[in-house]
Order: sequence, then C-alpha cells, then structure tokens
Amino acid sequence: AQSVTQLDSHVSVSEGTPVLLRCNYSSSYSPSLFWYVQHPNKGLQLLLKYTSAATLVKGINGFEAEFKKSETSFHLTKPSAHMSDAAEYFCVVSDQLTSNTGKLIFGQGTTLQVKP
Amino acid sequence: DADVTQTPRNRITKTGKRIMLECSQTKGHDRMYWYRQDPGLGLRLIYYSFDVKDINKGEISDGYSVSRQAQAKFSLSLESAIPNQTALYFCATSTASNYGYTFGSGTRLTVV
Repeated sequence: AQSVTQLDSHVSVSEGTPVLLRCNYSSSYSPSLFWYVQHPNKGLQLLLKYTSAATLVKGINGFEAEFKKSETSFHLTKPSAHMSDAAEYFCVVSDQLTSNTGKLIFGQGTTLQVKP
Repeated sequence: DADVTQTPRNRITKTGKRIMLECSQTKGHDRMYWYRQDPGLGLRLIYYSFDVKDINKGEISDGYSVSRQAQAKFSLSLESAIPNQTALYFCATSTASNYGYTFGSGTRLTVV
C-alpha cells in the first residue's frame, strides 16, 4: 500500500530564511507525488506535482521539490520564506498506478510558521 | 465563479439530524470525491464516483451516503449526524489521468 509520512508536524522559520518541509513516501511503483498548501480558512491549492518527468519540480510562489527515489523522499523547499507562506502543507501520493481509483493519500500535514 | 463550489460553507447541526452537503463543478471532470479533514490526520476519503452510475466507498464511508445527481453534482449526506462527524469536508474533482485535481473551498460542519 502507498503511504506518505511528513516528518515534522510543525516548522518555524524566520522571514527571509530557507524553508524545508520533509516528506517520505512508500510505494511499490513509481509514484505521482504532490504538495498542497492550505491557508487558514481556505481550501487546498496545488503547489507542485511530480509525475515521473524531471526529478526537480518547480511550483508556484518559489517552491520546489526534488524526487529522490533512493531515499524515497519528496522534500519541499523554498530559498526565502515570506510571511504569506504561513500555512499548512500536505504531501500527497496518488494510488493511480496500483488501483486506478484516483485516490489521493494525504500526509498528516506540516504547519509552517514564519516569524518576522 | 469557482470551478468547484461547495454549499453550505459552514453548518451547525444537532445530533441525530439529517444533513446534506452539496458540491457542483464546472470543470467537466468525470471523477468526483468527498474527503474529510481532521486535525493531525490530513484528509481521508469518504466516497468517490467515476460517473453518474459509478459510486464507490472510500476508507471512512460508515455513517455517510452520497448521490451523483449529474456529472457536475455530487452530494454527501449524513443520515443521522453524530458529534465525531464534526470536521472540515472537501469535495474534489479530477480527470481520468488523475493529474488534474481541483478542490472546493470546504464545508465546516459542527455536530452538537
């Protein structure tokens, strides 16, 4: 079965410093992986997705993630945090290849706090 | 207008009441999903539908039912609401390739 584990439930950074949100996945196949962001009282917005093309994926708002098969990781990074980045972030894997349900399997979420 | 619209945005209901959450989409996607979000648990799948005649249970379907009235409409019902169904509910749509997920803004449901 496919799964994702977000290694930190809460990350705090200062504005202007780098952001690293860690995600490990478990999959029997080459997975489709996503990062979603949820701002307070808002819906879910897709930041980026990996679908077996380039291993370094660039997303919106300066975020990027690198797919590392050897480490089964898909960490999210940003060189310089902005106050507006404060939100909850979800690492997600799709089970498309194993069951074709199209179901997304969510990690538990990481809350990013950005301090002035 | 939003691509995926959920109504109501917020709802407080009493234990034992029947409640329906509605979702409509203008994406033209065939696949529609209902998820619930609880703090620290991420989102979990309740039901999903590939077309009007295809309804499937997700991992936490007990206590819920759904109706796919049209390609664009997918409703979630709680026949007899209980307090542990208090959560944030999301509707989502996707293409068959599963690379085009779109989420609604969510319905915050409180059962007292």
